[in-house]
Amino acid sequence: DAGITQSPRHKVTETGTPVTLRCHQTENHRYMYWYRQDPGHGLRLIHYSYGVKDTDKGEVSDGYSVSRSKTEDFLLTLESATSSQTSVYFCAISVASDTQYFGPGTRLTVL
Amino acid sequence: QKEVEQNSGPLSVPEGAIASLNCTYSDRGSQSFFWYRQYSGKSPELIMSIYSNGDKEDGRFTAQLNKASQYVSLLIRDSQPSDSATYLCAVKGDSNYQLIWGAGTKLIIKP
Repeated sequence: DAGITQSPRHKVTETGTPVTLRCHQTENHRYMYWYRQDPGHGLRLIHYSYGVKDTDKGEVSDGYSVSRSKTEDFLLTLESATSSQTSVYFCAISVASDTQYFGPGTRLTVL
Repeated sequence: QKEVEQNSGPLSVPEGAIASLNCTYSDRGSQSFFWYRQYSGKSPELIMSIYSNGDKEDGRFTAQLNKASQYVSLLIRDSQPSDSATYLCAVKGDSNYQLIWGAGTKLIIKP
């Protein structure tokens, strides 16, 4: 157990509303990631962070922003949610030798 | 574009038999390889990592790496119904601590 929690676990929202998902870790790992997972696409990297206030884009970053003001928290924000952002969102952290461990996921539905 | 390819399945295997899952990757310089298991509605969990050519065994699981042919495989001996899941292959990419993910193979173990 890498001590990763995500909140909320489920969320239903309407198109155009802002949404923030939170990832919290208890072990001060440097690297944190946000992925989305959709049928037929596997895991796709949205953004990642390599330290406090140090973030970078992944392959599907359009429409998403992130912030990391503390080592333990990595926030993902959908500024104006769209139906195409309906997905399952996973947070992950890196431990030694690139191994990644995942949080439980957030199921987001945008109506 | 670096890629990781997996047969999406489903792969159906009788209980007690050997399940063989395969993954190919495009970046010849890749050094780190991972197999994750994902049950329906759950987050991916690490099964094994492998870094050197050859076989690595852990209980009923064996990972095989062939860098010359650019493939990595996972063998599951004495397959159990509880092994039914989607298996994800991941390969370390160029950037530090980023992984490139295959779309996963769905495995069904039939009693």
